[in-house]
Amino acid sequence: GPKVLQIPSHQIIDMGQMVTLNCDPVSNHLYFYWYKQILGQQMEFLVNFYNGKVMEKSKLFKDQFSVERPDGSYFTLKIQPTALEDSAVYFCASSLGGGDTQYFGPGTRLLVL
Amino acid sequence: GEQVEQRPPHLSVREGDSAVITCTYTDPNSYYFFWYKQEPGASLQLLMKVFSSTEINEGQGFTVLLNKKDKRLSLNLTAAHPGDSAAYFCAVSENTGYQNFYFGKGTSLTVIP
Repeated sequence: GPKVLQIPSHQIIDMGQMVTLNCDPVSNHLYFYWYKQILGQQMEFLVNFYNGKVMEKSKLFKDQFSVERPDGSYFTLKIQPTALEDSAVYFCASSLGGGDTQYFGPGTRLLVL
Repeated sequence: GEQVEQRPPHLSVREGDSAVITCTYTDPNSYYFFWYKQEPGASLQLLMKVFSSTEINEGQGFTVLLNKKDKRLSLNLTAAHPGDSAAYFCAVSENTGYQNFYFGKGTSLTVIP
């Protein structure tokens, strides 16, 4: 089936540093999403992105978070500065249309020390 | 906003037995319903997408039931085998907006050989 790639698979950084998580969505998809999953807990929606803009974001999408997809390259989630509570697995997803199935990447495991 | 409750959080069955996982939701505008399987350390794998107009859907070794009146969605693994051991998540989305998914908290299923 359609593949979403995420780079890196793991990232360890010190609190206060900046981190960028990269997502390579399915090539013809138009909608992009980030989710956060703390170990053993449910997946929680962070933000969605369409046509170069954030369309909706949750309360978990703090001011320190930003997303972009410059010129059809990676869809990125940047956290600056990071905090201890940002430690989680971050999943990227993409879908062709607004009502279509979201396909998930393998996740980036972020550990903030 | 949408509230999705998933039960049970943990489920242990013997090989060959059935396993039933249920989600209830609150938003009557919910239109798309999904079941995902997540094996340890892996991403979410789509099992089935159900539309509001369908009620019973059969997959390979499982059945999905949707009861819109009761706002209930269930996944029934008919004859579980050890390869079914994983976390299962339901997700619900509306037919408006940008299809944010509201996930249940997940069920950790263990199938004992």
